[in-house]
Amino acid sequence: DQQVKQNSPSLSVQEGRISILNCDYTNSMFDYFLWYKKYPAEGPTFLISISSIKDKNEDGRFTVFLNKSAKHLSLHIVPSQPGDSAVYFCAAKVGGFKTIFGAGTRLFVKA
Amino acid sequence: DTGVSQDPRHKITKRGQNVTFRCDPISEHNRLYWYRQTLGQGPEFLTYFQNEAQLEKSRLLSDRFSAERPKGSFSTLEIQRTEQGDSAMYLCASSLMGNTYEQYFGPGTRLTVT
Repeated sequence: DQQVKQNSPSLSVQEGRISILNCDYTNSMFDYFLWYKKYPAEGPTFLISISSIKDKNEDGRFTVFLNKSAKHLSLHIVPSQPGDSAVYFCAAKVGGFKTIFGAGTRLFVKA
Repeated sequence: DTGVSQDPRHKITKRGQNVTFRCDPISEHNRLYWYRQTLGQGPEFLTYFQNEAQLEKSRLLSDRFSAERPKGSFSTLEIQRTEQGDSAMYLCASSLMGNTYEQYFGPGTRLTVT
């Protein structure tokens, strides 16, 4: 049962343009959402998060939007940079601590 | 802050052997998590510790898997009688108790069962 879905395995964007990574979820009990970035041979690193009571959170070039009625969240990166090329995981927390991850989207930012 | 460390980084073992992995979390973090990641998938939750107490264990974790965190600091994950299906990246993460939920991941231990 895949509760967190990232339906795009990969995304290619030109440097300086906007990258939009999407994530859908099925469990309405999720109360916190997070995005992680992963480079090869490293563990995932935390990027940005949003509580289920909010609809937007911004941190520098990164903005996460949450649409609870659609059970959808997205990560916007503006402007995209070649160093942003990585795998991005959407994750959702349920209860006190358990976190469910999506399968990831590989972002390529072309110079 | 040295981050989360895991040892070994790579392990190749023959089917049927036992293996043990170690995780050292960030020193002030009292929560510790183990995940398994296979190719093309995100990390799958295995188990979670708050201090030395193991509070949840995924049903993905068969009886061949056991995890400990004896003094609330480092943790070990043991797999007994390994099977080829156990081949995966095993990730450890830690976090602070509180209102922030981000986890800090180690580099992982890649297990190959031949």
